[in-house]
Amino acid sequence: DAKTTQPPSMDCAEGRAANLPCNHSTISGNEYVYWYRQIHSQGPQYIIHGLKNNETNEMASLIITEDRKSSTLILPHATLRDTAVYYCIVRQSTYSGNTGKLIFGQGTTLQVKP
Amino acid sequence: GAGVSQSPSNKVTEKGKDVELRCDPISGHTALYWYRQSLGQGLEFLIYFQGNSAPDKSGLPSDRFSAERTGGSVSTLTIQRTQQEDSAVYLCASSLVATGYGYTFGSGTRLTVV
Repeated sequence: DAKTTQPPSMDCAEGRAANLPCNHSTISGNEYVYWYRQIHSQGPQYIIHGLKNNETNEMASLIITEDRKSSTLILPHATLRDTAVYYCIVRQSTYSGNTGKLIFGQGTTLQVKP
Repeated sequence: GAGVSQSPSNKVTEKGKDVELRCDPISGHTALYWYRQSLGQGLEFLIYFQGNSAPDKSGLPSDRFSAERTGGSVSTLTIQRTQQEDSAVYLCASSLVATGYGYTFGSGTRLTVV
């Protein structure tokens, strides 16, 4: 699976949009981009995933560049409860026989401040 | 149950003792994963179950670690002759099928080896 690079930490003001970048320059055509977050002392929580099109759900938006070498997770109106470690993960589709396991990096610690 | 349940939530054991960690996945979830997270580190994949079989054991760090799953449901992770470096939070996740975004994580078992 392709490796991802994320900044170790970011700050965001409450109520503002949080934009979390991720580089995955070695991504291949059948690899998806997934985002999870881990709030202190809890298990990771799925946020969103995508292949090449931009995606939006009730939690966030995912913007993937045209060359797919980077992406940005957007939390449109960050709240204090969004303070967490955010993981960007690249993995293969299970149609290729993959086990579906996710390989977590160090993630980005997002601190939302009042 | 409504979520993934892990027990015990905390375990303190003496070096050299054996420990068993239990995971109750969401009913009907065929895929089950074990991860561990050492203090201040990211999540490390240990083992993947599909039903009762484990097609991917590549993350088990040594032969002191083993896991089984019975009835396509409950899984037990066993660590024999525990060492201090085994101290970590052990997380279990389940999924309806082996897809990365379908994971639901439990709250983990915090293991401390003294």
